[in-house]
Amino acid sequence: DSGVTQTPKHLITATGQRVTLRCSPRSGDLSVYWYQQSLDQGLQFLIQYYNGEERAKGNILERFSAQQFPDLHSELNLSSLELGDSALYFCASSVAPLSGRLYNEQFFGPGTRLTVL
Amino acid sequence: GNSVTQMEGPVTLSEEAFLTINCTYTATGYPSLFWYVQYPGEGLQLLLKATKADDKGSNKGFEATYRKETTSFHLEKGSVQVSDSAVYFCALSDIQGGSEKLVFGKGTKLTVNP
Repeated sequence: DSGVTQTPKHLITATGQRVTLRCSPRSGDLSVYWYQQSLDQGLQFLIQYYNGEERAKGNILERFSAQQFPDLHSELNLSSLELGDSALYFCASSVAPLSGRLYNEQFFGPGTRLTVL
Repeated sequence: GNSVTQMEGPVTLSEEAFLTINCTYTATGYPSLFWYVQYPGEGLQLLLKATKADDKGSNKGFEATYRKETTSFHLEKGSVQVSDSAVYFCALSDIQGGSEKLVFGKGTKLTVNP
């Protein structure tokens, strides 16, 4: 158990709908990352938040957005869903963004499997 | 941009066989390198890491050496077990503007038969 929790575990919805995925980081971790794992694209970084502020953006579609709340949990909002959005969405957390250290280990949650029908 | 290429799977081995999963990378600078493992139905777990050239990461019998000359980080294990069946991802850290994201390879599915 990594200490990162994600809900729901599975989500089935229809095209055009909107869903919200939730992530609670490990206790004490200030940084949250979202990744998408799909068969054709593999594992891709979407977005990172640190202590409530957006820190970095990756291949995140404009239909997707995220935020990190004062209690440090994060939500990923996916709207106008398309069949191709079906994927496993992972959240990861780390202590802080890089600050003079060689790396910060990211701890991954179990993921939310989204199926768009 | 930075990228990781790892051997396509699936890989099927018998118990106690030798495992190699190849991984090469393209990066500016000297990223940290990682192997993550994903067991069925679970999230990713860090298996091992190396933060500079010639470093050897090791854990649970797995090893990988950071080779700058060949830009490689191949995963090896001398004797695999059924419990090693999982998907293995090679990754590098992409550091920009104080932020650190992971860039992953496509993953290699390993099945170990008794």
